[in-house]
Amino acid sequence: EPEVTQTPSHQVTQMGQEVILRCVPISNHLYFYWYRQILGQKVEFLVSFYNNEISEKSEIFDDQFSVERPDGSNFTLKIRSTKLEDSAMYFCASSDPGEGRYNEQFFGPGTRLTVL
Amino acid sequence: DQQVKQNSPSLSVQEGRISILNCDYTNSMFDYFLWYKKYPAEGPTFLISISSIKDKNEDGRFTVFLNKSAKHLSLHIVPSQPGDSAVYFCAASDGSNFNKFYFGSGTKLNVKP
Repeated sequence: EPEVTQTPSHQVTQMGQEVILRCVPISNHLYFYWYRQILGQKVEFLVSFYNNEISEKSEIFDDQFSVERPDGSNFTLKIRSTKLEDSAMYFCASSDPGEGRYNEQFFGPGTRLTVL
Repeated sequence: DQQVKQNSPSLSVQEGRISILNCDYTNSMFDYFLWYKKYPAEGPTFLISISSIKDKNEDGRFTVFLNKSAKHLSLHIVPSQPGDSAVYFCAASDGSNFNKFYFGSGTKLNVKP
């Protein structure tokens, strides 16, 4: 069964450093997303991406965040200058437009980001 | 900005009994709701959904009920099995962006053998 994969599973970085979180969405999916979950809190939407551009972003997704689909398979989230409060589990998801208006989103296993 | 709330952080149920997980929302524009299940070290997995034109959707042991007037939905699992032990998230979306979902904080279900 196809699945979304994410690398690395755990990333530790120093405050102020840049990190890139990587995701390989399901191959025939066209919509891609990043979510984050701070420990013990809710899953929060960050950004959705379609047709090589951002289609929606939350207030969390400020100028220090960027997303990219550098090739036909990878989808990345870059945090330019990490802050302590960026420590969280980051989930990538993808979905297939299908015939319906709403699309079930398939999630990856997550990358745990720890900022020291 | 808690548009979707799951007020019970945890729930413990005996195997074979019914598990009822609750979710409340504040945005009356939400018209599509989903439940996700999450095991430790894994991403959320889609479980069941319901649109606002329905008040009930059933899939095997899982049934979701929607009460639009109360802005409340619930997930019933019957009979509960130990393998159902996980964190359950409800999520909601409005008509303005069908790809943006608002998640609740999750309820950790423990089904005891």
